[in-house]
Amino acid sequence: AQSVTQPDIHITVSEGASLELRCNYSYGATPYLFWYVQSPGQGLQLLLKYFSGDTLVQGIKGFEAEFKRSQSSFNLRKPSVHWSDAAEYFCAVVAPNTNAGKSTFGDGTTLTVKP
Amino acid sequence: NAGVTQTPKFQVLKTGQSMTLQCAQDMNHNSMYWYRQDPGMGLRLIYYSASEGTTDKGEVPNGYNVSRLNKREFSLRLESAAPSQTSVYFCASSEEGDYGYTFGSGTRLTVV
Repeated sequence: AQSVTQPDIHITVSEGASLELRCNYSYGATPYLFWYVQSPGQGLQLLLKYFSGDTLVQGIKGFEAEFKRSQSSFNLRKPSVHWSDAAEYFCAVVAPNTNAGKSTFGDGTTLTVKP
Repeated sequence: NAGVTQTPKFQVLKTGQSMTLQCAQDMNHNSMYWYRQDPGMGLRLIYYSASEGTTDKGEVPNGYNVSRLNKREFSLRLESAAPSQTSVYFCASSEEGDYGYTFGSGTRLTVV
């Protein structure tokens, strides 16, 4: 079975600084990989996804993520953080060719943005 | 375009009471899911439905039942609520072969 680890429970960055959120997965092959964002009191919103091909994927709201097979990682990045990016971020994996595309989620990383 | 609609948004139950959480999507998605979210534990899959007429257990199905009423609607039922079921419940759907989820806004359930 697949699993996801987000090593950082909480990260604080200053507005305008760069951001990197870490995600490591465990699976026998390359899974499908996703990042979601959750604002307080809201549901999750899909930021970006990786299935295959180019290992650097672009998403919404200026986010990007890089898949590194050798490190079993799929880290989320943003060059310049805005105060509105403060939220909780979840990495998720889906095992390819499985029934119904069940996602396994990490425990989340809470991002605080300092003015 | 409403996406995924969940009702109710908030609910307080007494231990032993029953209730049904409703979920409907208008994107013609085949697959639908119910997750619960607890602090520090991410999201855990309760039940899912790969297509109309099929349902399967997820990671934490005990104490819950589901019904895929039609392609649009997927309900979650608590037959006898327990304090351990206090949580935020999310319904989600996905297009076949895509697996990126569209989530509802959640139901915050408290069992006292």
